[in-house]
Amino acid sequence: GAGVSQSPSNKVTEKGKDVELRCDPISGHTALYWYRQRLGQGLEFLIYFQGNSAPDKSGLPSDRFSAERTGESVSTLTIQRTQQEDSAVYLCASSLEVRRAEQYFGPGTRLTVT
Amino acid sequence: AQSVTQPDIHITVSEGASLELRCNYSYGATPYLFWYVQSPGQGLQLLLKYFSGDTLVQGIKGFEAEFKRSQSSFNLRKPSVHWSDAAEYFCAVVTNNAGNMLTFGGGTRLMVKP
Repeated sequence: GAGVSQSPSNKVTEKGKDVELRCDPISGHTALYWYRQRLGQGLEFLIYFQGNSAPDKSGLPSDRFSAERTGESVSTLTIQRTQQEDSAVYLCASSLEVRRAEQYFGPGTRLTVT
Repeated sequence: AQSVTQPDIHITVSEGASLELRCNYSYGATPYLFWYVQSPGQGLQLLLKYFSGDTLVQGIKGFEAEFKRSQSSFNLRKPSVHWSDAAEYFCAVVTNNAGNMLTFGGGTRLMVKP
């Protein structure tokens, strides 16, 4: 696959449950970004990785949100004790390196918290 | 704080007509600017980018954009719109040279009349 892939494409969960969202970046891309797109609102930055480290976690909305990346490849965004306001499309993007600002986006995961 | 404004939430044009989508940014340094398009249920696709140099940049699908520093604008144009251009368009700026995360405008939804 040439592009960024994300799974699942859709996730419906009950309030209070934990969810994991996965992102597979373009092979060889060292930088990886997570964004959130809530209905009726714009896209907001959550976190980025340079390699396996996350220098900037300032966008994470609460301590219920965490993310990790392993092998400079796959990343997982975890939301604990989901709330209804977490319902959104979560988009992942990758870039060849952080200095190269062009980011390529995956199709997103639509999360619905009931 | 850096910000990106897209003044038009919705725009409707007739097929074959010209198009201009507005984008204004607030950013102290020389910005990196982008336009992305999002079709329904899809991720974001990069249309074009401006880093430096020639202020008129060409992108994919016949789109172009012009960077005007004096007006803090980066408007997207297309001379003749096709029905398949109906989508949501996002202007974005890189706001942090360390992490190069994107700050997005609120988006403009384009509808195309036959």
